[in-house]
Amino acid sequence: GENVEQHPSTLSVQEGDSAVIKCTYSDSASNYFPWYKQELGKRPQLIIDIRSNVGEKKDQRIAVTLNKTAKHFSLHITETQPEDSAVYFCAAKAGGTSYGKLTFGQGTILTVHP
Amino acid sequence: DAGVIQSPRHEVTEMGQEVTLRCKPISGHDYLFWYRQTMMRGLELLIYFNNNVPIDDSGMPEDRFSAKMPNASFSTLKIQPSEPRDSAVYFCASTPRVVGGYTFGSGTRLTVV
Repeated sequence: GENVEQHPSTLSVQEGDSAVIKCTYSDSASNYFPWYKQELGKRPQLIIDIRSNVGEKKDQRIAVTLNKTAKHFSLHITETQPEDSAVYFCAAKAGGTSYGKLTFGQGTILTVHP
Repeated sequence: DAGVIQSPRHEVTEMGQEVTLRCKPISGHDYLFWYRQTMMRGLELLIYFNNNVPIDDSGMPEDRFSAKMPNASFSTLKIQPSEPRDSAVYFCASTPRVVGGYTFGSGTRLTVV
């Protein structure tokens, strides 16, 4: 089945700096890659996603890039703010008979210091 | 729309007791997923349904776990008998299509003592 590795496990930045979180996946048939933000005690919430026919997608301060050849994708947050502090999860949707099923990375704890 | 609704929000039970978690997906969402979240194992998919039919239950830990979806607006996850290692946050999520983001419920925090 699909395997998603996420790095780093923790990331600490100063307010205003950029943050980058990277994920790799194993199933070359995967075609959908969402990112979720989970604040303490809350539910994961979708913040951005990308499909395999697109290399980059941007939404205000966040962007995601995808390299299908290398099977990795990244989340970029610019001009970080304290409210960006949360756990971020990447995920990949496998193809074939596992359609519809998302496999999540282990998460990155992002801390933005004022 | 009220989103994905889970109940209860918190459940504390004694080892050996039966636990039932409930989920109401967003109306019109054909896919429903049950995930378990722990610090050690992260977000694990337990089972998912498409149009009320179980599609993949390979993540269900063992026979003590069972899930049903009797209709499009209701699903249950049952643990019988419960054990302390089942303590986790259980999330239900739904989506209207195969390729698309999930909407998660608020989760049920289960503590088995």
